[in-house]
Amino acid sequence: NAGVTQTPKFRILKIGQSMTLQCTQDMNHNYMYWYRQDPGMGLKLIYYSVGAGITDKGEVPNGYNVSRSTTEDFPLRLELAAPSQTSVYFCASSYPHTQNTEAFFGQGTRLTVV
Amino acid sequence: DQQVKQNSPSLSVQEGRISILNCDYTNSMFDYFLWYKKYPAEGPTFLISISSIKDKNEDGRFTVFLNKSAKHLSLHIVPSQPGDSAVYFCAASADRSGATNKLIFGTGTLLAVQP
Repeated sequence: NAGVTQTPKFRILKIGQSMTLQCTQDMNHNYMYWYRQDPGMGLKLIYYSVGAGITDKGEVPNGYNVSRSTTEDFPLRLELAAPSQTSVYFCASSYPHTQNTEAFFGQGTRLTVV
Repeated sequence: DQQVKQNSPSLSVQEGRISILNCDYTNSMFDYFLWYKKYPAEGPTFLISISSIKDKNEDGRFTVFLNKSAKHLSLHIVPSQPGDSAVYFCAASADRSGATNKLIFGTGTLLAVQP
């Protein structure tokens, strides 16, 4: 059971470039999330999804886009990379809140924009 | 607007002693609270949780206490072990309808357990 898998683990982008951070989970979780972690700032929610075809903005959505075409996959797209997007990105998944279960996280993607 | 606050960025404790990590929140709608542990270069892993209908939850060496009137929760680790050295994040969720499950995280506390 792989859990939540993120690719790539590391990436360096030039300003203005675009890329997609991949996230897939094999636990059949309805909910999936993208967080970013900046030094000393905790984890900030970028986007989340409660099921295939449904996405919504979190606390810091600007500069990002997401899609949820399947239950398993939740890619995060950066269209015009900026230095402010240098961060560690975490994808997570969970069952609905009403089941009071925790979110499972991937290993993270460390992104540097130069 | 930091809805979940961990005011101590770091904590150092001797092995075998108690570690107490604190967390405050501002949103009275939060009804589910979790603690996550994070090692360097890894994703956060779930440690323990508590529903707002309880004031204490215990799992082995880990106990979480919730004081709703003070909007405060704490994580107690007894006895502390060197392997407990990590960053601990407090998280909270506010949803009574089951439609969403947004977890709001604090800034984390780096725990160092000295041998």
